Amino acid sequence: AQSVTQLGSHVSVSEGALVLLRCNYSSSVPPYLFWYVQYPNQGLQLLLKYTTGATLVKGINGFEAEFKKSETSFHLTKPSAHMSDAAEYFCAVSAYFTMDSNYQLIWGAGTKLIIKP
Amino acid sequence: GAVVSQHPSRVICKSGTSVKIECRSLDFQATTMFWYRQFPKQSLMLMATSNEGSKATYEQGVEKDKFLINHASLTLSTLTVTSAHPEDSSFYICSATRERARYEQYFGPGTRLTVT
Repeated sequence: AQSVTQLGSHVSVSEGALVLLRCNYSSSVPPYLFWYVQYPNQGLQLLLKYTTGATLVKGINGFEAEFKKSETSFHLTKPSAHMSDAAEYFCAVSAYFTMDSNYQLIWGAGTKLIIKP
Repeated sequence: GAVVSQHPSRVICKSGTSVKIECRSLDFQATTMFWYRQFPKQSLMLMATSNEGSKATYEQGVEKDKFLINHASLTLSTLTVTSAHPEDSSFYICSATRERARYEQYFGPGTRLTVT
């Protein structure tokens, strides 16, 4: 079965420091990979995605992620954290389910990013 | 493009009543729509998948008679929580896909349901 693992349910960094949120996936085929951000009491916002092509993907708010097939990873980074980055971050893989003839998103458990002043 | 709306954003209802949540794709035709439930401090849990004009496919453990899903058109899906109870209180999120990129889902802003 396909799965997504996000290391660390909580990550705390100082304002201005590097942000690194880890995501590993299991997939037998080239994956479609996504990072979403969720602010308190709000819906999901797409940060960035990898579908094909360049393995380093740039997203909104200064975030980027690199698809590393050999490591089955899609870690999210930002060079300098800002207080407004405090939120929950979800990694997801889009997988095709032949029984349903549909793609479904397989979700990581989420990582809460805490920014220390 | 690819905007999905949900209505209402918040709803409070009394125990035993039913409540309907609408999910609309505003600027595209949605091949498939999905309904998720999110408990506090948890990830999204897929409840059901629906294709226009077809019966919804429910995930294991989701009561079909309690969570009625109707996907009447290519831009509208509804989730009706019947005979709601306090344990149904949750954040419900819908998403939709387009035919040309079925691997990507576009999410609505969510609906906060509180059952008193």
